[in-house]
Amino acid sequence: EIVLTQSPGTLSLSPGERATLSCRASQSVSSDYLAWYQQKPGQAPRLLIYGASSRATGIPDRFSGSGSGTDFTLTISNLEPGDFALYYCQHYGRSLTFGGGTRVEI
Amino acid sequence: QVQLRQSGPGLVKPSQTLSLTCAISGDSVSSNNAAWNWIRQSPSRGLEWLGRTYYRSKWYYDYAASVKSRITFIPDTSTNQVSLQLNSMTPEDTAVYYCARDRVEVIAKYYYFYGTDVWGQGTTVTVSS
Repeated sequence: EIVLTQSPGTLSLSPGERATLSCRASQSVSSDYLAWYQQKPGQAPRLLIYGASSRATGIPDRFSGSGSGTDFTLTISNLEPGDFALYYCQHYGRSLTFGGGTRVEI
Repeated sequence: QVQLRQSGPGLVKPSQTLSLTCAISGDSVSSNNAAWNWIRQSPSRGLEWLGRTYYRSKWYYDYAASVKSRITFIPDTSTNQVSLQLNSMTPEDTAVYYCARDRVEVIAKYYYFYGTDVWGQGTTVTVSS
């Protein structure tokens, strides 16, 4: 079973700054099956990125994904107040696996 | 616009069965381009996938090993819903439960995954006597 490890656990930044979130897989995975989600308190997760680098519908280009093999990155440029939230990476396969999350806080 | 609306109890007694329903609008439960997941979230376990069901000429079911012995998904084409039944509930099953759609496309037996793109509103389930 693939394990996804996200780092850091918490990222403390200010509006306008850039956030770089990491997701490491326990074994090499296809980038076709790596996705990122944003979750705010009391809400369901929202799809941001699929296929490691493709933005979902309606997601601004401040959000970008990259990576391959075991190392993947979500970058949020020019942080806006609404971007302060929890972020999860996910692998799609025989099962769905989620990372433990990174909290981006002010 | 695809929407998922969940219904079911918020409180279940230990040893009882949890039954939740996910009503689908804007898509079909038997779509060849979708799979229907149940996912739960708790502070101790994070986001935990419970399983999925999907239709590809027949119904398929994938269940997480952690719950496989006590979970059942029931798709219903007449009502366009998918239901979850989880037996022998314990306090460790206390969580927010979500139904969610995987958008996929199968071309020459390769699965193109476009994300778990639609989620229900979540149901907070507490297991307590």
